[in-house]
Amino acid sequence: KQEVTQIPAALSVPEGENLVLNCSFTDSAIYNLQWFRQDPGKGLTSLLLIQSSQREQTSGRLNASLDKSSGRSTLYIAASQPGDSATYLCAVPTRNQFYFGTGTSLTVIP
Amino acid sequence: EAQVTQNPRYLITVTGKKLTVTCSQNMNHEYMSWYRQDPGLGLRQIYYSMNVEVTDKGDVPEGYKVSRKEKRNFPLILESPSPNQTSLYFCASSYSFPYEQYFGPGTRLTVT
Repeated sequence: KQEVTQIPAALSVPEGENLVLNCSFTDSAIYNLQWFRQDPGKGLTSLLLIQSSQREQTSGRLNASLDKSSGRSTLYIAASQPGDSATYLCAVPTRNQFYFGTGTSLTVIP
Repeated sequence: EAQVTQNPRYLITVTGKKLTVTCSQNMNHEYMSWYRQDPGLGLRQIYYSMNVEVTDKGDVPEGYKVSRKEKRNFPLILESPSPNQTSLYFCASSYSFPYEQYFGPGTRLTVT
């Protein structure tokens, strides 16, 4: 069974700082990896999907990387803003199912 | 507007009273699934459906039922809810597996 881990569980940074969120998975037989954002009490919003054949995917201030062989993905957020405060989750589809990490709760301090 | 809708958004019920949470998508997606989200445990898949009349268990199916009679709808049924099913539930859909998922707004269920 796929196990997905996200470290750290919580992160607090001052506004303007660049930061990296980590996602690791145990089964490298993945098709892609998707990063989501979740605001408190709300649903999930898709941020980036990176295919297993890609190494990087960018959207605005967000950059996701994927190293399938080592079972790791990172989400890089440049020039963080208070509006980036949320929980960030990664999801890995494996054998007809999606497996999620428990998320990193990010707080950006003005 | 492309969307996944869930109803109700909030529900408080008592142990043993059957309930159904509806999920509908307007994107003609083949793949649909249900998740529950609990503190410290993250999102766990309850059931998923690859297409009409094709459903399968996820990691936490006990106490739940689903059906997929139409492509757009994927209701979650709790025949006899118990307090340990108190949770935040999400429905999601994607064009097919393993394409990008789109999530509904969530249903907060409390079973007393």
